[in-house]
Amino acid sequence: GEDVEQSLFLSVREGDSSVINCTYTDSSSTYLYWYKQEPGAGLQLLTYIFSNMDMKQDQRLTVLLNKKDKHLSLRIADTQTGDSAIYFCARGGADGLTFGKGTHLIIQP
Amino acid sequence: DTAVSQTPKYLVTQMGNDKSIKCEQNLGHDTMYWYKQDSKKFLKIMFSYNNKELIINETVPNRFSPKSPDKAHLNLHINSLELGDSAVYFCASSPDGQTYEQYFGPGTRLTVT
Repeated sequence: GEDVEQSLFLSVREGDSSVINCTYTDSSSTYLYWYKQEPGAGLQLLTYIFSNMDMKQDQRLTVLLNKKDKHLSLRIADTQTGDSAIYFCARGGADGLTFGKGTHLIIQP
Repeated sequence: DTAVSQTPKYLVTQMGNDKSIKCEQNLGHDTMYWYKQDSKKFLKIMFSYNNKELIINETVPNRFSPKSPDKAHLNLHINSLELGDSAVYFCASSPDGQTYEQYFGPGTRLTVT
């Protein structure tokens, strides 16, 4: 399987919470990241978490890390139309970041 | 001020040509990277480079070569362009090779005809 895996699509209603999941195989990763890419734009670093943390919260964003299961999630509270984008999970390594294939977040009115 | 900039934003060229994409960062970072994003939005690391070491992803053809005139610049040179090279190329930088907190440029969309 892939080193970092994500579902390709997630559809949520405006105002609901979005939860984007990611699994990875390399347990030696010290840092795990979430990036956002809006249409036609570059990648924006949303947040990152150290592997010795379980949770990190930043305004509407909550990152949960289950190191035992190698599972990372990003929760976006009160999802807005401006949150519509591709969200990439990534793990850090000596040769740069390894990305998942990205989750397309679709917001329904 | 733009932290990581790339030129050109769009590049259309014919098969067999040689082209370069420039990248500059004004963040004072030590490490720079090149990534390729294909038509399905899949992102892959191509190179990572600091003033000591170049790490090349083994899947990258040797037609691709990074060139760094100084710490703030990492240009990507591509020889003998092929149709499959069409993609968006992103440059990124990080403070060092350890934190891996990377900041990305806006991307260069390369189209090979």
